[in-house]
Amino acid sequence: IQMTQSPSSLSASIGDRVTITCRASQGINNYLAWFQQKPGKAPKSLIYAASTLQSGVPSKFSGSGSGTDFGLTISNLQPEDFAIYYCQQYHSYPITFGQGTRLQIK
Amino acid sequence: EVQLLQSGGGLVQPGGSLTVSCEASGFTFSNYAMTWVRQAPGKGLEWVSVISGGGDATYYTDSVKGRFTISRDDSKNTLFLQMNSLRPEDTAIYFCGRGRAADYWGQGILVTVSS
Repeated sequence: IQMTQSPSSLSASIGDRVTITCRASQGINNYLAWFQQKPGKAPKSLIYAASTLQSGVPSKFSGSGSGTDFGLTISNLQPEDFAIYYCQQYHSYPITFGQGTRLQIK
Repeated sequence: EVQLLQSGGGLVQPGGSLTVSCEASGFTFSNYAMTWVRQAPGKGLEWVSVISGGGDATYYTDSVKGRFTISRDDSKNTLFLQMNSLRPEDTAIYFCGRGRAADYWGQGILVTVSS
């Protein structure tokens, strides 16, 4: 299953609200996770089951979608939110990731 | 607190072997599937392998099938990835993760395949 994220990069300002989309090449129900990765660090899980927030993740992050089309929305962008974001399907093997979306400060 | 502590990376020549480990704490290790993910320098995340809780089922990405073996020792709360016939394109940071959806990650360990 191929996962396609868009955009590949995104520039936004502090306080903005942004949405990253992820499309699966076939239906994956809601077996979709989102990760945040900062330079030199391990990825951090934000959302699983398409819309369930991981414990400790602020509610400014939200996930949506089912089937083939999914979104990650981040509200009120702060400096610590600028990072690379990946989607991942875990519906079937091989598990696959999107190519990543680099969120940069405008 | 869930923790995954990785060890065992390093420099290896093409064709060589290396085993990386991931010691878990803070949860009942035997109840969870465990995952390996890698990231080549400057690249995105690539799923490598998963082993079921109990270890009776394993899956691999095509590029490592027949060369890598995932295993676990539930008595020691430790996950392993044995890598044989290593190639330069296997050079990456290797991460372990809890579950298929990797809700917790190890710190990552660098494996460099070079002569």
